[in-house]
Amino acid sequence: AQSVSQHNHHVILSEAASLELGCNYSYGGTVNLFWYVQYPGQHLQLLLKYFSGDPLVKGIKGFEAEFIKSKFSFNLRKPSVQWSDTAEYFCAVKESDSGGKLQFGAGTQVVVTP
Amino acid sequence: DAGVIQSPRHEVTEMGQEVTLRCKPISGHNSLFWYRQTMMRGLELLIYFNNNVPIDDSGMPEDRFSAKMPNASFSTLKIQPSEPRDSAVYFCASRTGGNTEAFFGQGTRLTVV
Repeated sequence: AQSVSQHNHHVILSEAASLELGCNYSYGGTVNLFWYVQYPGQHLQLLLKYFSGDPLVKGIKGFEAEFIKSKFSFNLRKPSVQWSDTAEYFCAVKESDSGGKLQFGAGTQVVVTP
Repeated sequence: DAGVIQSPRHEVTEMGQEVTLRCKPISGHNSLFWYRQTMMRGLELLIYFNNNVPIDDSGMPEDRFSAKMPNASFSTLKIQPSEPRDSAVYFCASRTGGNTEAFFGQGTRLTVV
């Protein structure tokens, strides 16, 4: 069965620090990959997505992610975080031929201190 | 479009009562998902529909949970009878076919006392 693993459950860092969140998945076929963000008390919103093409994907708010097929990874990065980036971040995977099942990782809670 | 609309936003009910959560997907979207979010288990996929047909309900916890999608613009998730451990935020999401992302509703925060 497909699974999605996020390496860190909690990350605390200071403003202007760089952020990298790990995500690995288990499915060996073609996948669509997503990062979602959930700000406190809000619903999930899409940060960025990868379907095909350039493995380095740029999203909103200065986030980017790199798909490394050989490592089954889709890590999220931001060079310099802001206090407003405090949120929970979810990696999600959809098998391209699955008919639509979108599976989420456990999430990483990121706290950015002023 | 107003996005995915869920109702109610908050529900407090007593153990044993029936609870019905509602979702209106984005017009034109043909896949709909129900997720449950708790601190302990994170975001769990309960069930998803393609073209109003349930495709995978393996995430539905037990027989107390049921979901329907009578038409393309409406879905319900019912819990009968409800239990305190059902307390969670329930999200509905929808997407079109092909390579597209899912759009989430605001969620329903359910508290069973």
